[in-house]
Amino acid sequence: GENVEQHPSTLSVQEGDSAVIKCTYSDSASNYFPWYKQELGKRPQLIIDIRSNVGEKKDQRIAVTLNKTAKHFSLHITETQPEDSAVYFCAAVNTGTASKLTFGTGTRLQVTL
Amino acid sequence: GAGVSQSPSNKVTEKGKDVELRCDPISGHTALYWYRQSLGQGLEFLIYFQGNSAPDKSGLPSDRFSAERTGGSVSTLTIQRTQQEDSAVYLCASSTRGGTAYEQYFGPGTRLTVT
Repeated sequence: GENVEQHPSTLSVQEGDSAVIKCTYSDSASNYFPWYKQELGKRPQLIIDIRSNVGEKKDQRIAVTLNKTAKHFSLHITETQPEDSAVYFCAAVNTGTASKLTFGTGTRLQVTL
Repeated sequence: GAGVSQSPSNKVTEKGKDVELRCDPISGHTALYWYRQSLGQGLEFLIYFQGNSAPDKSGLPSDRFSAERTGGSVSTLTIQRTQQEDSAVYLCASSTRGGTAYEQYFGPGTRLTVT
């Protein structure tokens, strides 16, 4: 089955700086890669996703890049703000099968003033 | 529309007792997942239901854990003979599959405390 590794486990940045979280996956057939954000005490929510037919996707201050050859994808947050502080989870799945979505272990991002 | 709901929101039980946790997915969602999240930890996959296929039970930590999904909708996670290490937040999520609709929607979770 799919295996997703996520780094770093914790990340502290100053407000206004950029943050990058990286994930690698094992199944070359995976074609959908979402990112979820979980604020303290709340449920995870989808913030951005990318499919294997594109290399990059942006939504305001967040972007995701995908390198299919290397089987890794990354979340980039620019101009970080205190409200970006949360745990971020990456995930991967092959949508052409009935296999489950596999999550990474999470990155705790702390944005300091 | 209504999102994923879970009940109870909190459950305190004595060690050795059985508990049942309920998940009501979004109507029409064919995929349903159960996860366990201990304090400050990641999402531990427990079980996955997809349509009429046999569930993927590969994440269940022991035979004390079981789950069923009746009529392709409501799901119940049962933990028998609870142990203190079962204390965690149990999250349910549902999604559709296919096309562009693949977002996984999480419920608010059930916080289980085993004393």
